Amino acid sequence: DAGVIQSPRHEVTEMGQEVTLRCKPISGHNSLFWYRQTMMRGLELLIYFNNNVPIDDSGMPEDRFSAKMPNASFSTLKIQPSEPRDSAVYFCASSLTGSGAVNTEAFFGQGTRLTVV
Amino acid sequence: AQKVTQAQTEISVVEKEDVTLDCVYETRDTTYYLFWYKQPPSGELVFLIRRNSFDEQNEISGRYSWNFQKSTSSFNFTITASQVVDSAVYFCALISTNAGKSTFGDGTTLTVKP
Repeated sequence: DAGVIQSPRHEVTEMGQEVTLRCKPISGHNSLFWYRQTMMRGLELLIYFNNNVPIDDSGMPEDRFSAKMPNASFSTLKIQPSEPRDSAVYFCASSLTGSGAVNTEAFFGQGTRLTVV
Repeated sequence: AQKVTQAQTEISVVEKEDVTLDCVYETRDTTYYLFWYKQPPSGELVFLIRRNSFDEQNEISGRYSWNFQKSTSSFNFTITASQVVDSAVYFCALISTNAGKSTFGDGTTLTVKP
């Protein structure tokens, strides 16, 4: 398996532009997580999907952020409009969870480094 | 609610010293998993170990060892004979087996000097 795949690896955009980050989880995993990592705030969980359904989006900072998971193999995190304070590394992770299943650790993608200028 | 506390923000040791990274957690769930991840300067998050809440047996893997004590809600990580390559940020994490939600600590930055 190729692991969790995120794209792009790096994104530089101007303030006010829309940014879309993409994630392909590991095949067979039913949970997907979006994290944001900054020096100031550390690793923050933004949103968590289980079986393609958003379970907890309490970490989404504001309405400018939205996430979707249209199917089990794809998720997006969108920021519109972007602001300089959104600059961070955004990680996507997937895992297998649920009763009766072997709960696995979260496998992380390599992250997308977003810079908003 | 879940919470993971890594009280040590930064630790600096000299090569070959032993070092222990502390992790204390809070959860109302009776079943859960605990994890340690390593984030080297290159930025990726590397899984180190997983421990089921029912399994309090300590584990050793090479120079790494983990001490899980449910009575004190702690899951500490010890590196024996540290090496410069161990320099990284180490994260402790908790996943509830009921909800599947993960909670990470703030991380401990370990610097191993030659």
